[in-house]
Amino acid sequence: DQQVKQNSPSLSVQEGRISILNCDYTNSMFDYFLWYKKYPAEGPTFLISISSIKDKNEDGRFTVFLNKSAKHLSLHIVPSQPGDSAVYFCAASRPGTSYGKLTFGQGTILTVHP
Amino acid sequence: DGGITQSPKYLFRKEGQNVTLSCEQNLNHDAMYWYRQDPGQGLRLIYYSQIVNDFQKGDIAEGYSVSREKKESFPLTVTSAQKNPTAFYLCASSIDRLTKGTQYFGPGTRLLVL
Repeated sequence: DQQVKQNSPSLSVQEGRISILNCDYTNSMFDYFLWYKKYPAEGPTFLISISSIKDKNEDGRFTVFLNKSAKHLSLHIVPSQPGDSAVYFCAASRPGTSYGKLTFGQGTILTVHP
Repeated sequence: DGGITQSPKYLFRKEGQNVTLSCEQNLNHDAMYWYRQDPGQGLRLIYYSQIVNDFQKGDIAEGYSVSREKKESFPLTVTSAQKNPTAFYLCASSIDRLTKGTQYFGPGTRLLVL
């Protein structure tokens, strides 16, 4: 049962344009969401997060939007740079005894062309 | 210089052999995790530990074992019962299981079967 889904395996954008990566979830108990970036043969690195009490969080070129009614979140990267080319994972967690446990999506490969 | 180290970077396993992947952190984090990444799939949780001498099965624990004798260390053993061990293994840690903290990942170990 895939509770966190990233339905686009890949995305290609031109340098300077906006990249929009999408993520859907099914478990309404999730209340904290994160985006990670991963280069090949390396561990993921944390990018940005959002709590379910917010609908937007911004950090420099990265903005995450959360639509709780649609159970959907998205990551916007503006402007996109070639160094942003990587695999992006969204992840979700829920409160309770397993709070630290994250459920990851399948990942989206972002390629930013110069 | 705090972080998570994993060793070795590459590991080869023969049929019927148990192998152990090392994970050490000096971030003073209580919680530690092991994930497996396969091509086209997200990170899947194998085991996690919220405190020393305690650990819980994740989503795909069969064929794996762990120990948590020290706060800094969380080794993963891939046993001969794991029939498809070839994958990229990632270790992570977070402050604890209760706070809304992110997980910090090590560089990973690639396991290959001879």
